[in-house]
Amino acid sequence: GEDVEQSLFLSVREGDSSVINCTYTDSSSTYLYWYKQEPGAGLQLLTYIFSNMDMKQDQRLTVLLNKKDKHLSLRIADTQTGDSAIYFCAESLMNRDDKIIFGKGTRLHILP
Amino acid sequence: DAGVTQSPTHLIKTRGQQVTLRCSPKSGHDTVSWYQQALGQGPQFIFQYYEEEERQRGNFPDRFSGHQFPNYSSELNVNALLLGDSALYLCASSFLDNTYPMNTEAFFGQGTRLTVV
Repeated sequence: GEDVEQSLFLSVREGDSSVINCTYTDSSSTYLYWYKQEPGAGLQLLTYIFSNMDMKQDQRLTVLLNKKDKHLSLRIADTQTGDSAIYFCAESLMNRDDKIIFGKGTRLHILP
Repeated sequence: DAGVTQSPTHLIKTRGQQVTLRCSPKSGHDTVSWYQQALGQGPQFIFQYYEEEERQRGNFPDRFSGHQFPNYSSELNVNALLLGDSALYLCASSFLDNTYPMNTEAFFGQGTRLTVV
């Protein structure tokens, strides 16, 4: 089946690292994504990882994938007030008939 | 490059009415997907269009229909609107690379906020 689960809320102090976790159920997923959505805005693709990778780093963002446990995490280093948003974990097969399956999103709140 | 553009940005309709939402894909993209995002939820896949045909469909009733035009732009139509259809409707575009074949990264528009009263 297709399901993506993530915690709904996370509060982090400015300057600390944020870690958002996600689990997925479809072991045939090829791509795993993290999207960011700010209030009143569409979805911004932050980063993605192929299912044959364990880790991907992009500036302040680090994605870790544990394929055995079907667990994906997003670490944001040196969290800033501008990182306040909803973060969606998502998966897809990325084939001809791909569709993206999203989690419900984790609302990241930055404490001063 | 204007990216994915959607119109209108906001819309208020009455129960039972019909609505048409529009999407212009990012330049060079040929595939358009539509998603419904209810308040507090993640986006849910409605359907996808490629070469003017519906290629894949999510778990949505037949009241939801679409169309893709030769210039790759797309419309989402919803008939007999229900209060539960109130949501942000997102359009995403991508390019089908026939080399693999696989779709490239999907870019999302800002969405149309539909309110049914």
